[in-house]
Amino acid sequence: GDSVTQMEGPVTLSEEAFLTINCTYTATGYPSLFWYVQYPGEGLQLLLKATKADDKGSNKGFEATYRKETTSFHLEKGSVQVSDSAVYFCALSRTAYSGAGSYQLTFGKGTKLSVIP
Amino acid sequence: EAQVTQNPRYLITVTGKKLTVTCSQNMNHEYMSWYRQDPGLGLRQIYYSMNVEVTDKGDVPEGYKVSRKEKRNFPLILESPSPNQTSLYFCASTSSLTRVSGPYEQYFGPGTRLTVT
Repeated sequence: GDSVTQMEGPVTLSEEAFLTINCTYTATGYPSLFWYVQYPGEGLQLLLKATKADDKGSNKGFEATYRKETTSFHLEKGSVQVSDSAVYFCALSRTAYSGAGSYQLTFGKGTKLSVIP
Repeated sequence: EAQVTQNPRYLITVTGKKLTVTCSQNMNHEYMSWYRQDPGLGLRQIYYSMNVEVTDKGDVPEGYKVSRKEKRNFPLILESPSPNQTSLYFCASTSSLTRVSGPYEQYFGPGTRLTVT
């Protein structure tokens, strides 16, 4: 079945440091890939997405590139801020309609990021 | 404002006392689902619904029931809660089934933190 593996946390960085959170996946076909963010006490928000190989998703200074050859979708940000402290989830869903399973999101276990001033 | 709402946000109950967590979306989405989030396990799907009166099991359905009598609402029912159902629950919805291709990003509610003693 489909699966997502992301780096174990927690990750602690100083403000303005470079961030990378690794994410790799296993899936049949060509899934869509997502990064969701969960701020303390809140629900999940879509951060960025990519639907096909070599697509780059970006939002709020975060970027991730869909790498089919390495089945990866690593999240990066050049300069993190204290306000980026949150839990980040990598997820996938199937792209082509193939029944109910197409809509199910498969999540990684989450990576907690703490940014200190 | 497009949103998914859940109630209650916090609930403490005792073993065996039936409870219902409500979920409502205002985006006219056909697909709705319930996830539970547990430390170290990420999010796992409990049940989903493709449309009114169409529901099916996700990965961890034991101990839960759902119903979908109206398009906008998708309540989660715990007939006889047990302590192992203590968790953070999220409702999610996604857009039209008439689209053949994705991405099927999902929109999440704010979460319901349930404690069963």
